[in-house]
Amino acid sequence: DAGVIQSPRHEVTEMGQEVTLRCKPISGHNSLFWYRQTMMRGLELLIYFNNNVPIDDSGMPEDRFSAKMPNASFSTLKIQPSEPRDSAVYFCASSSAGESGDTQYFGPGTRLTVL
Amino acid sequence: SQQGEEDPQALSIQEGENATMNCSYKTSINNLQWYRQNSGRGLVHLILIRSNEREKHSGRLRVTLDTSKKSSSLLITASRAADTASYFCATDARGAQKLVFGQGTRLTINP
Repeated sequence: DAGVIQSPRHEVTEMGQEVTLRCKPISGHNSLFWYRQTMMRGLELLIYFNNNVPIDDSGMPEDRFSAKMPNASFSTLKIQPSEPRDSAVYFCASSSAGESGDTQYFGPGTRLTVL
Repeated sequence: SQQGEEDPQALSIQEGENATMNCSYKTSINNLQWYRQNSGRGLVHLILIRSNEREKHSGRLRVTLDTSKKSSSLLITASRAADTASYFCATDARGAQKLVFGQGTRLTINP
């Protein structure tokens, strides 16, 4: 299995631009999680999906952030417009939901820099 | 507020020594997990301990859980340079699928 795949691995953009991060979960996993990691705030859960349905988006910082999961094998996290404070590493993780707190498998992350 | 808090924030030891990291949490849990993150990489799951378990082993890893104190410890025995990484505990809130991660312990193994 290829594991969780994220693209791009690195993204450098200018303030005000739209940024789209992509994730392909492990085949057969039915839960998908988006995290953001910074030195100041650590690892924060932004949103997670069960069977392609958003369950908890309470961690999404503001309306500039949106996430979709059109099918079981693809999810996007979009930031529009981007700001310098959005600079962070964004991780996608997936799990096979059977009970609360199942093991999560993380992708390599997307390092976003907003200038 | 964060569910898990690791202690210490940073730990530096000599190769071959044992490393112990602690985690405290606030609410009732179903299980607690430990993850490792190498620099520039995603997190990798190490071990899961359920709320009805007190101790669990996996290779050189030993995890304990004390639900009365809401705390857990991760012991890495006979440390190796390759163990240099950040270690995170993660807890689930009862009935919720999401995990909440602590700030992590940065472990450095000196050769």
